[in-house]
Amino acid sequence: EAQVTQNPRYLITVTGKKLTVTCSQNMNHEYMSWYRQDPGLGLRQIYYSMNVEVTDKGDVPEGYKVSRKEKRNFPLILESPSPNQTSLYFCASSQITGLNTEAFFGQGTRLTVV
Amino acid sequence: AQKITQTQPGMFVQEKEAVTLDCTYDTSDPSYGLFWYKQPSSGEMIFLIYQGSYDQQNATEGRYSLNFQKARKSANLVISASQLGDSAMYFCAMREGNSGYSTLTFGKGTMLLVSP
Repeated sequence: EAQVTQNPRYLITVTGKKLTVTCSQNMNHEYMSWYRQDPGLGLRQIYYSMNVEVTDKGDVPEGYKVSRKEKRNFPLILESPSPNQTSLYFCASSQITGLNTEAFFGQGTRLTVV
Repeated sequence: AQKITQTQPGMFVQEKEAVTLDCTYDTSDPSYGLFWYKQPSSGEMIFLIYQGSYDQQNATEGRYSLNFQKARKSANLVISASQLGDSAMYFCAMREGNSGYSTLTFGKGTMLLVSP
């Protein structure tokens, strides 16, 4: 089954404790991205990657890191989480063949930083 | 300036009625694509429908149709014969340019509640 898998689904952590949210896709998609969703703000892009070893900042990259060592994986790293990073996070992947390629989303990771 | 504007934070509709969710967009690129996604309370993002800027006809997918008015830069989602399972958050999104490399930019969403 074609899918984007994020782990964990739920995470409560303390301020400053490094964490990684994993994302893996099995569709051989070149393009992957991370979004955060906050009430009243919709989805905002954090980082994206066009291919292995090619990453770039989205609209809200502060406080996040990413890496793309393999095509299928695109982990999101919070080196020193803060309460304002409490949010719902989505990983997405898509082909790059045309404008009409839909983005496939993971199930989301609800992160709470206390 | 916002690229995608959804002016309705919430909408109510009775079961079996049609409902229109508004979306306006802002771009100077002649080539772009517009998407609608549904997010039920379980949280996942479900792709509903796509409209390309050069498409001659409005997109339709089952009970979903897109009322595309290019000159007004609007791409409203029409859901016919609403069902209780349509209760969800709906997001309009746009991709500009000629390829899938460009960012998918989302609006703030509209919460739709369908009552019996």
